[in-house]
Amino acid sequence: AQSVTQPDIHITVSEGASLELRCNYSYGATPYLFWYVQSPGQGLQLLLKYFSGDTLVQGIKGFEAEFKRSQSSFNLRKPSVHWSDAAEYFCAVGPSGGSYIPTFGRGTSLIVHP
Amino acid sequence: ETGVTQTPRHLVMGMTNKKSLKCEQHLGHNAMYWYKQSAKKPLELMFVYNFKEQTENNSVPSRFSPECPNSSHLFLHLHTLQPEDSALYLCASSQGDGSLSGNTIYFGEGSWLTVV
Repeated sequence: AQSVTQPDIHITVSEGASLELRCNYSYGATPYLFWYVQSPGQGLQLLLKYFSGDTLVQGIKGFEAEFKRSQSSFNLRKPSVHWSDAAEYFCAVGPSGGSYIPTFGRGTSLIVHP
Repeated sequence: ETGVTQTPRHLVMGMTNKKSLKCEQHLGHNAMYWYKQSAKKPLELMFVYNFKEQTENNSVPSRFSPECPNSSHLFLHLHTLQPEDSALYLCASSQGDGSLSGNTIYFGEGSWLTVV
């Protein structure tokens, strides 16, 4: 079975600073990977996804993520954070075959200081 | 605007009440999901329907009863809930066709449930 770990419960950055949110997964084969964002009181919105191909994936809102098989990681990055990026971020990992339901991490809460 | 619509957005109910949460997806998907999100807990998958058939029930108490009349609509019927059932209930959908691209899950805005 697959699993996903987001080691940071909270991350605090200053507006304009760069951001990296960590995600590590455990899965025996090539996984498919997602990042979602949840603003307060809202549902989860898909930021980006990786299935295959280029390991650097571009998403919405200026986010990108890089799949590193050797490190079993799929970290989310943004070069310059805006105050509106304050939210909860979820990484998810799923199998490339069989059951199609991804497993979600516990989330990382991003706090942005002015 | 989301392709998955949930109503009501907020619901307060007593422990003896019967209420229902409704979800409608406008994405042409075949799979629909109910998730529970409680404070300080991971996202919990409750039920999955694929082509109107229930394919997952993650040991959810019987006071939660799902219904999927067609691929576009999903309900969660609530009966004799407990205060600890207060949470954000998220509906989601995906193509559910087994393809890689079909595995992307799209969420609704959620229904905030408070049990008093």
